[in-house]
Amino acid sequence: GAVVSQHPSWVICKSGTSVKIECRSLDFQATTMFWYRQFPKQSLMLMATSNEGSKATYEQGVEKDKFLINHASLTLSTLTVTSAHPEDSSFYICSARDAGNTIYFGEGSWLTVV
Amino acid sequence: AQSVAQPEDQVNVAEGNPLTVKCTYSVSGNPYLFWYVQYPNRGLQFLLKYITGDNLVKGSYGFEAEFNKSQTSFHLKKPSALVSDSALYFCAVRDGWGANSKLTFGKGITLSVRP
Repeated sequence: GAVVSQHPSWVICKSGTSVKIECRSLDFQATTMFWYRQFPKQSLMLMATSNEGSKATYEQGVEKDKFLINHASLTLSTLTVTSAHPEDSSFYICSARDAGNTIYFGEGSWLTVV
Repeated sequence: AQSVAQPEDQVNVAEGNPLTVKCTYSVSGNPYLFWYVQYPNRGLQFLLKYITGDNLVKGSYGFEAEFNKSQTSFHLKKPSALVSDSALYFCAVRDGWGANSKLTFGKGITLSVRP
C-alpha cells in the first residue's frame, strides 16, 4: 500500500528556535496533505490543509505565522514550528491524499521543546 | 459539520472474549466511516472503512464493524480479543469523497485486553 513518511520521528529543540518536520508521500503524488496535532491519549486535531502550489488553509485557532506549512511538490509538505515554546511540545501527524482521494497517515513526529 | 462520538474512555476485556468499541456519528450527507488503531508513540494504522454496500465491513487483524444507518452507529467488533489488540482506537467520519473532504476523529478509546 501507499506509504507516507515523516521525518524526523523525534526531535528536541531549545525554546525560541525553529524546527521543521517533513511529510513525504513515497510512492504516490499527493495534491493535498493534512497536518494534525495530538496530545497524549487525546484525539487528532486538524491544524491545516496543505495544497501543492498554494497557501495552506488553517483551522480556526491555529496560528499560521507560528506553524508554517509549505507544500512545494506533489510528494513533500513541511511543517515549521517557529520560535518554539514548551507548550508546542506534541505529537504531529501528517496525512496525504492520493489521486483516488484515499488518505494515508504518516508515523508521526514527536516534538519536545526544552 | 460532521462529528464523531466515542462514548467510552476505556474498554477492558479478557483475552479470548469478544470486544465491542462503540462509535456514533453525525454527518449531513452520506457517511464515509473509518476505524484506525494507534499503538504507543506511533502513527495511525487503518483498520477498515465503510463507503457503501454491505453493512458489515471486515478489516485488518480480524476486526469488523457494522454500519447501522438508523442508529447512526459504526461499532467496531472482534470475536476473540488478543492482548496485542491493546491500543488506542479512533473512529472517524469523512464529509464526502471529493478533493475538499476532511476526516473528523472521535476522541479515541483505549482498549485494554488482559491475559
